[in-house]
Amino acid sequence: QSALTQPASVSGSPGQSITISCTGTIDDVGNDNLVSWYQQHPGKAPKVMIYEVNKRPSGISNRFSGSKSGNTASLTISGLQAEDEADYYCCSYAISSTLIFGGGTKLTVL
Amino acid sequence: EVRLVESGGGLVQPGGSLRLSCAASGFTFSGYWMHWVRQAPGKGLVWVSRINSDGTNTDYADSVKGRFTISRDNPKNTLYLQMNGLRAEDTAVYYCVRGALYRDDFWGQGSLVAVSS
Repeated sequence: QSALTQPASVSGSPGQSITISCTGTIDDVGNDNLVSWYQQHPGKAPKVMIYEVNKRPSGISNRFSGSKSGNTASLTISGLQAEDEADYYCCSYAISSTLIFGGGTKLTVL
Repeated sequence: EVRLVESGGGLVQPGGSLRLSCAASGFTFSGYWMHWVRQAPGKGLVWVSRINSDGTNTDYADSVKGRFTISRDNPKNTLYLQMNGLRAEDTAVYYCVRGALYRDDFWGQGSLVAVSS
């Protein structure tokens, strides 16, 4: 049950786009489309931004999008805004009937 | 309004036990799988356990298997996590989560468990 691999940090200027990768294996990310992305601001509970690889819950801006290729999922945030600065985590279902999170990525808006 | 309110956290000595509760409201609790996810201070999210909608199927992370037990009381709209044999590395905020990985994914505000002598 090793954590999925995410970059520790990414940064971008307001208005730019950034992409956060999440790499797993054929036994988790590559197995099916149960991959979610969470946003967590300091001291707050995580909030789902993307589920099932590329679907947005009601109320989530279309600036957030998800994709997957093989064993790697990606979250793209376009038109960066100051309020996007937060920690982001990917999560995948694994064939062992468990869930696995990524180590988290700190997004800094310059 | 959907609400998940965790309680039961606190300071416990190594080897001790604690039971967390998660009171659900604003939705049909019995219709959802429920999860516990934890976050050690300054660290990332780690999945702990899940239980299906009627409580007949459970899964655990290897790190807690044999020590933690997840359960639910659907008539009381409450999720539980019984934690035995607690270790320092179990120190974390424990979140109750509805339907992780699906559209209705929703998290409580968390309950802090601190294991220390």
